[in-house]
Amino acid sequence: DIQMTQSPSSLSASVGDRVTITCRASQSISSYLNWYQQKPGKAPKLLIYAASSLQSGVPSRFSGSGSGTDFTLTISSLQPEDFATYYCQQSYSTPIFGPGTKVDIK
Amino acid sequence: QVTLKESGPVLVKPTETLTLTCTVSGFSLSNARMGVSWIRQPPGKALEWLAHIFSNDEKSYSTSLKSRLTISKDTSKSQVVLTMTNMDPVDTATYYCARILTVDGDAFDIWGQGTMVTVSS
Repeated sequence: DIQMTQSPSSLSASVGDRVTITCRASQSISSYLNWYQQKPGKAPKLLIYAASSLQSGVPSRFSGSGSGTDFTLTISSLQPEDFATYYCQQSYSTPIFGPGTKVDIK
Repeated sequence: QVTLKESGPVLVKPTETLTLTCTVSGFSLSNARMGVSWIRQPPGKALEWLAHIFSNDEKSYSTSLKSRLTISKDTSKSQVVLTMTNMDPVDTATYYCARILTVDGDAFDIWGQGTMVTVSS
């Protein structure tokens, strides 16, 4: 199976900060990479699919980039409602999620 | 409005078989290239994909759990059922079903609220 890693595992940031989360695949997955946001006690929410396509209804401050093995999720200006855990997921083969990145308040 | 809702036991004993049902509304399981996945999350841990089924009855399972899982669907009831045999305390988790968005790969665009399953004697 393809392995997924994320960095950092957690970060502290302030409202208004630009935040970047990295996801790496153990082999090339082309652009078959999705990003999710999960808040405590809630189901995950799809943010970005196919590496860079913004899911309908998701604010434009979220963006995704990358291809091959290295991907990034960027939040251009962190808002209070963005404090959550973020997961990447590859869809090149059997779906695998990354270990998550927790974004909390600095 | 598209919704998915999981149902099943809250508590199962070790070695028992778990049966979970996902009831969907707002879309049909018979629509072309429509699919539903099961995904779980142990307390405080990451998400783990378990299985999926598509409208053409194509099925796929997690490599590590394949021998214990069976997924099926009843289109007339708008339900997807997952069974997991030989339950163990490490299987304690919140189990989610999610609709598969098939655009440039498969993403999970709509999720159920999840159902917490505890494995304990």
